[in-house]
Amino acid sequence: NAGVTQTPKFRILKIGQSMTLQCTQDMNHNYMYWYRQDPGMGLKLIYYSVGAGITDKGEVPNGYNVSRSTTEDFPLRLELAAPSQTSVYFCASRDIIQYFGAGTRLSVL
Amino acid sequence: QQQVKQSPQSLIVQKGGISIINCAYENTAFDYFPWYQQFPGKGPALLIAIRPDVSEKKEGRFTISFNKSAKQFSLHIMDSQPGDSATYFCAARTGGSEKLVFGKGTKLTVNP
Repeated sequence: NAGVTQTPKFRILKIGQSMTLQCTQDMNHNYMYWYRQDPGMGLKLIYYSVGAGITDKGEVPNGYNVSRSTTEDFPLRLELAAPSQTSVYFCASRDIIQYFGAGTRLSVL
Repeated sequence: QQQVKQSPQSLIVQKGGISIINCAYENTAFDYFPWYQQFPGKGPALLIAIRPDVSEKKEGRFTISFNKSAKQFSLHIMDSQPGDSATYFCAARTGGSEKLVFGKGTKLTVNP
């Protein structure tokens, strides 16, 4: 039982490039989330999903897209990366409580 | 505006002492108040949570105190240990919402 798995762990992007952050969970949770964590700023919700095929915006969705075709996977897509998207990204899933992945550290230069 | 205000930003405590972290909120619709613990390089992990129908919840050395009238809640770590050194986040959520709002975090250092 791996829990919530995020890949990659680290990535450096150039301005304008695109990438997908992968998140998969093996706990059969319906609810999944993407957060970003900036230094000294806590976590902010980007997008969330209450089940396959259903997604909704969080607090800071601009510049990101998500999809949820299966219960297990919830990828986060960055189109046209900008320096402001430099952050640590966390995926989470929940039944009663939220379980977080180990994060993806992204730098946009 | 910041919906959940957390203080202090950093805290240094001696081993065996009591660590106290405070959070304040404005939205009276919040009905779920969790605390998360995060070690460097790891994701946050739920430590303890409370709902506003109780004033205190204790789990081992960790206690949440909740003051509904003051719109404040706090985390107390009794007999603090060096292994408790981590960043702690308070959070809040309204009923029926999936949107957790986090405080900015408190970096706790427990000296041996």
